[in-house]
Amino acid sequence: IAGITQAPTSQILAAGRRMTLRCTQDMRHNAMYWYRQDLGLGLRLIHYSNTAGTTGKGEVPDGYSVSRANTDDFPLTLASAVPSQTSVYFCASKGTRSADTQYFGPGTRLTVL
Amino acid sequence: GQNIDQPTEMTATEGAIVQINCTYQTSGFNGLFWYQQHAGEAPTFLSYNVLDGLEEKGRFSSFLSRSKGYSYLLLKELQMKDSASYLCAVMDSNYQLIWGAGTKLIIKP
Repeated sequence: IAGITQAPTSQILAAGRRMTLRCTQDMRHNAMYWYRQDLGLGLRLIHYSNTAGTTGKGEVPDGYSVSRANTDDFPLTLASAVPSQTSVYFCASKGTRSADTQYFGPGTRLTVL
Repeated sequence: GQNIDQPTEMTATEGAIVQINCTYQTSGFNGLFWYQQHAGEAPTFLSYNVLDGLEEKGRFSSFLSRSKGYSYLLLKELQMKDSASYLCAVMDSNYQLIWGAGTKLIIKP
């Protein structure tokens, strides 16, 4: 693994189904983030984690949950998917300094029908 | 509220220079980032400014004026591969990034 990986790359999901998007980083970064990106809108923060064992809500957390059991993994779960959750989801991680850049995974394209 | 404004789309010619502006209003300021995002790909880091002035990095430069809530990204000697979206993001008082919607840059030969 080099950097951040996400799985799956893309997924089509029926409304009402449960789905977990996976994110793994090997840079030993403390902070990790989940964003969604929709046409015409900036990246919007869903949830974040400043360190293993802690999580926080971002701008658009409703309908999503996260966990951070260890440093490397930060899964995002949609408990009951709805069509408005159709989006591209990016996971990112960052070192501890404020000037540290966020590194992004390749993204997961999710379609909820 | 927090707000980042940048033009939706710009067009420029190969070999020319283009300036992409970004204005912001945020609760606190801990730095401004520029990212590049090619279609269908993840954003990648270009530059970081926390003090006023110009930061130069090869063909790309970024400028910041904190008093005006303003930044620009300057791209010189444009190449076709520079066709991408350019995202402006400000780190607020909670050390979270607030993102602009991005500027789609189209390079014409």
